[in-house]
Amino acid sequence: ETGVTQTPRHLVMGMTNKKSLKCEQHLGHNAMYWYKQSAKKPLELMFVYNFKEQTENNSVPSRFSPECPNSSHLFLHLHTLQPEDSALYLCASSQELSGQGTYGYTFGSGTRLTVV
Amino acid sequence: ILNVEQSPQSLHVQEGDSTNFTCSFPSSNFYALHWYRWETAKSPEALFVMTLNGDEKKKGRISATLNTKEGYSYLYIKGSQPEDSATYLCASPKTGRRALTFGSGTRLQVQP
Repeated sequence: ETGVTQTPRHLVMGMTNKKSLKCEQHLGHNAMYWYKQSAKKPLELMFVYNFKEQTENNSVPSRFSPECPNSSHLFLHLHTLQPEDSALYLCASSQELSGQGTYGYTFGSGTRLTVV
Repeated sequence: ILNVEQSPQSLHVQEGDSTNFTCSFPSSNFYALHWYRWETAKSPEALFVMTLNGDEKKKGRISATLNTKEGYSYLYIKGSQPEDSATYLCASPKTGRRALTFGSGTRLQVQP
């Protein structure tokens, strides 16, 4: 366990389903992130939250809807996904105070999502 | 360089060999350069965060150097062991953004 817990580890969903990914950290970090890794591509930033406020949305389609009720929890709500959305979704947190990316990330183990 | 780039994409070495990989990043408005190790079926794990030109950091047999003026960092592994087999990622925040942009990684396989 790294201190960042993601559930579920694996998820298979149909294109008409609605599901949610959960991320939890009790490291006292103020920033939380969603990244996506598709096959043979680098980690791609999706969303950034700082003190539970969204600070970055990297042009992510609206079928992905993030929610951050507090600094310890982050959700990614999924609806009407496409097969090309199948990927590994990683959550991370950091104690980012400088706003300059100078603090290391702690990652969760990820959710392997398959859209059928 | 507009993005974070890593080379080589993959590397196969024998146990005991020393090896190194390269990360190139935009040198303008530099803030930080991160290295992570990502073993299969595990989470990426932070190795180093480097911020100063000329910085050198070491963790056991792994070390890293940083040249912010020319926009590159090297990661060195001395006497590679099979347990060093992993993908090594570097990352840097883009100008005006808090979050990290990652390279594609270098996949290292160490043969016993």
